Amino acid sequence: GQNIDQPTEMTATEGAIVQINCTYQTSGFNGLFWYQQHAGEAPTFLSYNVLDGLEEKGRFSSFLSRSKGYSYLLLKELQMKDSASYLCAVMDSNYQLIWGAGTKLIIKP
Amino acid sequence: DAMVIQNPRYQVTQFGKPVTLSCSQTLNHNVMYWYQQKSSQAPKLLFHYYDKDFNNEADTPDNFQSRRPNTSFCFLDIRSPGLGDAAMYLCATSRDRGRPNTEAFFGQGTRLTVV
Repeated sequence: GQNIDQPTEMTATEGAIVQINCTYQTSGFNGLFWYQQHAGEAPTFLSYNVLDGLEEKGRFSSFLSRSKGYSYLLLKELQMKDSASYLCAVMDSNYQLIWGAGTKLIIKP
Repeated sequence: DAMVIQNPRYQVTQFGKPVTLSCSQTLNHNVMYWYQQKSSQAPKLLFHYYDKDFNNEADTPDNFQSRRPNTSFCFLDIRSPGLGDAAMYLCATSRDRGRPNTEAFFGQGTRLTVV
């Protein structure tokens, strides 16, 4: 079966750095997406990785290792508005998105 | 400006009473999706349209139907809502399918309550 694993919840301090991990087992791989979802709102696109390595976009970076079936989202200089759920999704060999349940990130002052 | 618009944001319906959720897009994307998302769970794909071609997921109950009368609009019909159908329903679009890096754009969702 296809599976995406992420921690259910994480807590971090404003101004700090946090890393949210995602591991996956899917039928094929056509890229991995990270989405941010605030409570009661729709997911919004953060990043896409299809090659190994680190992609940096402002305060957010995303890393991929295809051989390990592993990705992480790195958030720097955390702000209170970063409190949200972060969803990892993998596009499989049929170009279907397989979603994780999301990691709820709580930012404390 | 909102590019994927869902109406209403909140919908309350009675058990067993048909309800329709609507979605419109200004992106002229070929693909439109309907997802169901329950609290703290992953979005679950119900079906999608590639242009007028309807694609139903194997485990989507018959109680859920969809219509796409034109490129811009897509509707989700729940014929006889049960208490277990209470969820957030997300509409999304993408320019294409079957290609990598096909970002999905989501509407703000409709939160359905069944009473």
